[in-house]
Amino acid sequence: AQSVTQPDIHITVSEGASLELRCNYSYGATPYLFWYVQSPGQGLQLLLKYFSGDTLVQGIKGFEAEFKRSQSSFNLRKPSVHWSDAAEYFCAVAPYRDDKIIFGKGTRLHILP
Amino acid sequence: DTEVTQTPKHLVMGMTNKKSLKCEQHMGHRAMYWYKQKAKKPPELMFVYSYEKLSINESVPSRFSPECPNSSLLNLHLHALQPEDSALYLCASSQDGQGGFRTEAFFGQGTRLTVV
Repeated sequence: AQSVTQPDIHITVSEGASLELRCNYSYGATPYLFWYVQSPGQGLQLLLKYFSGDTLVQGIKGFEAEFKRSQSSFNLRKPSVHWSDAAEYFCAVAPYRDDKIIFGKGTRLHILP
Repeated sequence: DTEVTQTPKHLVMGMTNKKSLKCEQHMGHRAMYWYKQKAKKPPELMFVYSYEKLSINESVPSRFSPECPNSSLLNLHLHALQPEDSALYLCASSQDGQGGFRTEAFFGQGTRLTVV
């Protein structure tokens, strides 16, 4: 079945520590891949996207993500988190020839001072 | 301009009221979306318009009625809602990308709807 999986519901890291949020997808062909961030009560902001080409993509706010076809993964990373990074993070896919954009269940990031 | 504008930001309505949510974008995107988001949950797709035609209805109850008057505007008409319909309603738009894929969706800030 087609799906987007974010295995971690909550992640807590200390400010200044590195971060990796996991995302796996299950589709017949590699879909268009995205990471979005949402602060409480706000809309979703695109952090980065991958369609083809270089498998390491850079985004806004110091985030990057690596596409690994063999693992059907698109994990989000940041070398050093800031307290302002505390938010909900969603992995999303746009499947081939499908008008839908499908979201994973999200990972809530908590930052310890 | 990469903005999707939603109005109103907040809406409180009774179960017998009729109201409308509005969404506007001027990026030339030909796909527009309505999502519903409950607290601590991911956005849940409701409707997709592609080139001003309804292409996806995710089995949404008929008390929600979408409308796409032109390529820049998207409305969601609400009638006889239930308290459980209280949620954040998000509008988004995207354009056709390469090879049959949609590109990224740009989201508005949402309308916080409370049904009393």
